[in-house]
Amino acid sequence: AQSVSQHNHHVILSEAASLELGCNYSYGGTVNLFWYVQYPGQHLQLLLKYFSGDPLVKGIKGFEAEFIKSKFSFNLRKPSVQWSDTAEYFCAVNEGQAGTALIFGKGTTLSVSS
Amino acid sequence: GAGVSQSPSNKVTEKGKDVELRCDPISGHTALYWYRQSLGQGLEFLIYFQGNSAPDKSGLPSDRFSAERTGGSVSTLTIQRTQQEDSAVYLCASRLAGRSQDTQYFGPGTRLTVL
Repeated sequence: AQSVSQHNHHVILSEAASLELGCNYSYGGTVNLFWYVQYPGQHLQLLLKYFSGDPLVKGIKGFEAEFIKSKFSFNLRKPSVQWSDTAEYFCAVNEGQAGTALIFGKGTTLSVSS
Repeated sequence: GAGVSQSPSNKVTEKGKDVELRCDPISGHTALYWYRQSLGQGLEFLIYFQGNSAPDKSGLPSDRFSAERTGGSVSTLTIQRTQQEDSAVYLCASRLAGRSQDTQYFGPGTRLTVL
């Protein structure tokens, strides 16, 4: 069965620090990859997604992620975090065919101090 | 346009009671998913609808859980004889479908507390 691992449970950063959140998945076939974000008191929102093509994808609010197929990884990055980035971040994967459910990682809580 | 909506936003019930949770997907989205978010378990898939049929029910945790979708739109998740371990946030997502490369959009969830 597919699984998704997020390496960091809780990350604490100061504003302007750089961020990298790790995500690895276990499926060997074609996958679609997503990062979702859940701000305090809000619902899950899509941050960015990778389906095919350029492995470096850019999302909203200055976030980007790189798909490295050989490492089964899809790490999320941001060069300079802001206090407003405080949230929970979820990596998710589904198989590259219509209809399959998302498999989520356990999530990483990011706390940014001003 | 309107996003995915869910009702109620919060539900408190007593152990053993039945509950119904509702999801209104984005208009025109034919695929609909239910997930559950709980402490310690993270986000877990429950069931997937394509139109009114459910080709994947593999995530339903027990036969106390059922779901239906009517008119290719609204879906209801029913939990019978609720247990304390059913306490969680139940999330609904919808997708345009027709292509594998479509994004699932999530609703705000229903927080279920079983006393």
